[in-house]
Amino acid sequence: SSELTQDPAVSVALGQTVRITCQGDCLRSSYASWYQQKAGRAPVLVIYAKHNRPSGIPYRFSGSSSGNKASLTITGAQAEDEADYYCISRDSSGDRYVFGTGTKVTVL
Amino acid sequence: QVQLVESGGGVVQPGRSLRLSCAASGFTFSTYDIHWVRQAPGKGLEWVAIIWYDGSKKYYADSVKGRFSISGDNSKNTVYLQMNSLKVDDTAVYYCARGGSVTTYRDAFDIWGQGTMVTVSS
Repeated sequence: SSELTQDPAVSVALGQTVRITCQGDCLRSSYASWYQQKAGRAPVLVIYAKHNRPSGIPYRFSGSSSGNKASLTITGAQAEDEADYYCISRDSSGDRYVFGTGTKVTVL
Repeated sequence: QVQLVESGGGVVQPGRSLRLSCAASGFTFSTYDIHWVRQAPGKGLEWVAIIWYDGSKKYYADSVKGRFSISGDNSKNTVYLQMNSLKVDDTAVYYCARGGSVTTYRDAFDIWGQGTMVTVSS
């Protein structure tokens, strides 16, 4: 079955840059999207189709990918960026989806 | 405004059934895919099911296939998740989310409901 692996937790100093990675074979054939989830809230789409930002998402969020790895970068992290982040992609069947294991971002 | 509202959660015994509803408003419901995603307490997100915008295709995660069924009622702008043979491991917050349409990127879940809690316990 398809799996997407993320680092469980990362920390970043206020105003610095942090990169969150997502790795899995299904990323070779499908783009990743990224979701931010704050405690007790529904997820929010921050990046889709590898590097596109929905309206209202700050420019400091960017996405990229290469091979079987996708990345979400926060350039100039703010206190409000402290949250869990999840990647998602279509699985190997192409019809279903799989979420990454999630990364907790702490802003110091 | 554009929104999704889930309902139908509650406490149910193992082996019993429950039906969740996802009511859409503010957009043309029949032109978008709708997904169900769940999150067990303290755990990550798990994709559960999708119904295509035209109802022609439905797909399920292996963990729920054969037990859960997704359906839609365009007259009510509502998607349902029928959950049968519930297990303790199905305990989670269940979210519905809007996917793409024929004119937008299909794999972006851009609108989410607030979630409804399902607890399976004896």
